[in-house]
Amino acid sequence: DGGITQSPKYLFRKEGQNVTLSCEQNLNHDAMYWYRQDPGQGLRLIYYSQIVNDFQKGDIAEGYSVSREKKESFPLTVTSAQKNPTAFYLCASSIMQPREAFFGQGTRLTVV
Amino acid sequence: AQKVTQAQTEISVVEKEDVTLDCVYETRDTTYYLFWYKQPPSGELVFLIRRNSFDEQNEISGRYSWNFQKSTSSFNFTITASQVVDSAVYFCALSESSNDYKLSFGAGTTVTVRA
Repeated sequence: DGGITQSPKYLFRKEGQNVTLSCEQNLNHDAMYWYRQDPGQGLRLIYYSQIVNDFQKGDIAEGYSVSREKKESFPLTVTSAQKNPTAFYLCASSIMQPREAFFGQGTRLTVV
Repeated sequence: AQKVTQAQTEISVVEKEDVTLDCVYETRDTTYYLFWYKQPPSGELVFLIRRNSFDEQNEISGRYSWNFQKSTSSFNFTITASQVVDSAVYFCALSESSNDYKLSFGAGTTVTVRA
């Protein structure tokens, strides 16, 4: 089935460690996005990419990095520079703006 | 500044009651798009509807209906005869041409439908 796959579903990280969240889509969508969700704050855009080998910062990019080497894949690295990384992370893709985005099931990251 | 405001944080109703979720947006663009998404407890956001700024027709889809009013910058969502399965967080979002069509989300409204 076509869709967006995020892995893992739950992730625990020790302080000071980098961690990479996976996002893969088989919808042949050009655009991909990473959002962070905190309770009561809705979704905030971290990074987005509209084409392979190109990406732009969103509203809260500090402490995060991404790559877009393949159309299907858009991994997010949460670095040790991210001061408060515990959150729910959602990946999405769309055929092109301003069409609707489709979301993965999310990764819940907890720093221990 | 918040571009999308969902003033209702939580709404609790008894099954079969109607629920209306408010969404007010702010933009200077003449071309923009509005969306509603549903987030059930599983966490994945589910797309419900997209409406562009040139189409003010209201829409009904089953028990769902949407009221788009440009004069008041509102895009409200009504669930008729609510069911327990409607319990979720609902997000309104705005996509503007001046913002590269990125989605700006409201804070969400948590709807709880009690049996």
